[in-house]
Amino acid sequence: DIQMTQSPFSLSASVGDRVTITCRASQSISRYLNWYQQKSGKAPKVLIYSASSLQSGVPSRFSGSGSGTDFTLTISSLQPEDFATYYCQQSQSFPLTFGQGTKVEIK
Amino acid sequence: QVQLQESGPGLVKPSETLSLTCSVSSGSISGYYWSWIRQPPGKRLEWIGYIYYSGSTNYNPSLQSRVTMSVDTSKNQFSLSLTSVTAADTAVYYCARYIRATDYYLDYWGQGALVTVSS
Repeated sequence: DIQMTQSPFSLSASVGDRVTITCRASQSISRYLNWYQQKSGKAPKVLIYSASSLQSGVPSRFSGSGSGTDFTLTISSLQPEDFATYYCQQSQSFPLTFGQGTKVEIK
Repeated sequence: QVQLQESGPGLVKPSETLSLTCSVSSGSISGYYWSWIRQPPGKRLEWIGYIYYSGSTNYNPSLQSRVTMSVDTSKNQFSLSLTSVTAADTAVYYCARYIRATDYYLDYWGQGALVTVSS
């Protein structure tokens, strides 16, 4: 199985801050990397697919980059509704696997 | 907008079978792949497997010996069966649509169903 490792595990930030979350795959996954946002008690919601494609309806302050084994999710200006847990997920091979999550909290 | 809704017992006894159904509305089940994902309390998401509308399946090897998925296109539903459950199977179970074309991702999710394994 491909192991997905995110960093940091959690972070505290203020509204308006630029936030970066990193995801590393245990082997190359080309650009088959997706990012999801999960708010407490809710289902995950896809933000970014194929490393850098913005899902329809997702604000443009979210962006993704990377290829191979190293990927980044960036929130350009953190908004109150962005406080949540973010997961990366690889679709290079089965079984699909997820990172452990990064919790973004209010500073 | 496609909507998914999980249904099934919230409490299952150890060694018994967990059964969940996902109902799809505002869209057809035909032509797509449909997945089950679970999230144990405080842990990361775990992909259980997918079923294509035609009935072909792909399961996570870690659960393959205990998992069966089925689809009923006439009811626009698909189902999950997990046998011989233990406390480790306690989780929120999500159903989701899996896009598998030029891009590969889970685009629509159900709200999730908490299943507790306990006697």
